[in-house]
Amino acid sequence: DAMVIQNPRYQVTQFGKPVTLSCSQTLNHNVMYWYQQKSSQAPKLLFHYYDKDFNNEADTPDNFQSRRPNTSFCFLDIRSPGLGDAAMYLCATSTTGTGNSPLHFGNGTRLTVT
Amino acid sequence: AQKVTQAQTEISVVEKEDVTLDCVYETRDTTYYLFWYKQPPSGELVFLIRRNSFDEQNEISGRYSWNFQKSTSSFNFTITASQVVDSAVYFCALSGRRDMRFGAGTRLTVKP
Repeated sequence: DAMVIQNPRYQVTQFGKPVTLSCSQTLNHNVMYWYQQKSSQAPKLLFHYYDKDFNNEADTPDNFQSRRPNTSFCFLDIRSPGLGDAAMYLCATSTTGTGNSPLHFGNGTRLTVT
Repeated sequence: AQKVTQAQTEISVVEKEDVTLDCVYETRDTTYYLFWYKQPPSGELVFLIRRNSFDEQNEISGRYSWNFQKSTSSFNFTITASQVVDSAVYFCALSGRRDMRFGAGTRLTVKP
């Protein structure tokens, strides 16, 4: 089945230690998104790639970076994780990135910062 | 600015009861899209339905139904004869030309 896969499912990192979360998709969608979801809150868009075109949300901290080396893969790099960065990180894709295109989500990576 | 409000933080029902999840939105766009997603305990958000701003027809899919009313800026979701497997967090979302904004979600617990 075509899908969005996130690895790892759970990630523990130390305060200030860089960490990378990965996402891959077999849907061949043009657009890939990273959302941050803290406990009992709505998913918050961090950034998205429309093909190779990177789009950063205005309030996304500089501590968060992303890479998309090819259509299938997208990475979220947190350069110096703080305790406040502990959250579920959700990767999603869509076909066109326009408003009517539903998002297809992965299972998420739950990040713990110790 | 776009905003989605889900006033019900948590709802608990007993199996076979009907339950309605409320969603109210704000937007200045004339063309927009509304969505509902389900997030079970496994964590993956699952797309349930999409509605565009020009289509106010209600929709029924099995035990699920959606009521879209532009006059009240609402897009409510009803589960008929709820089941334990319906237990999840449900998110309403609004999209204009590009970005999708989510409401805070409603946690539904269906007890046997």
